[in-house]
Amino acid sequence: AQTVTQSQPEMSVQEAETVTLSCTYDTSENNYYLFWYKQPPSRQMILVIRQEAYKQQNATENRFSVNFQKAAKSFSLKISDSQLGDTAMYFCAFMKLTGNQFYFGTGTSLTVIP
Amino acid sequence: GAVVSQHPSWVICKSGTSVKIECRSLDFQATTMFWYRQFPKQSLMLMATSNEGSKATYEQGVEKDKFLINHASLTLSTLTVTSAHPEDSSFYICSAKGTSTNSPLHFGNGTRLTVT
Repeated sequence: AQTVTQSQPEMSVQEAETVTLSCTYDTSENNYYLFWYKQPPSRQMILVIRQEAYKQQNATENRFSVNFQKAAKSFSLKISDSQLGDTAMYFCAFMKLTGNQFYFGTGTSLTVIP
Repeated sequence: GAVVSQHPSWVICKSGTSVKIECRSLDFQATTMFWYRQFPKQSLMLMATSNEGSKATYEQGVEKDKFLINHASLTLSTLTVTSAHPEDSSFYICSAKGTSTNSPLHFGNGTRLTVT
């Protein structure tokens, strides 16, 4: 079975600063996908960024980037120039290529402080 | 971008009645849809995976006779909570995955179910 662990239940960051959210996972699969989803108070799940395991280059999307360490099974999310609208729950997710099942971490509640 | 419509967004029902929640992919075909349950300040717990035209695969501990899932077409999946009880009150979220291998999940807005 796949497990996804987010060891930081809550974090806060000053507006305009940078914050890194941690995620580790456990799998015996070699090819898979990793995602970060954001869930604001509206509870809508929003895709933030995704990474293919076979790609060594870390994915970036504007202010969001990841540090993907396949050997260590680590997938952290870095948010630069934090904005008030970044306040939300962030979930790390793992997807197997076979079966299409997603596995979510327990989430990190991020608060951006003005 | 891909849109998933979930309806209703909230529903209140009496104990013992059944409630149906619909999940539609509006602009893409979803061969696989997922149903999650989320308790306050907790993660999404996968309940079942449904593939179009076949029986749903339920996660361990989820009663298939209580949570009926139908995936009749490539754009529609339904979750029916049968004989609802107050402990079934929760936030239910559906998601849909496109046909490409690397397609991410696209989520509905969720349904808040309250059983009185």
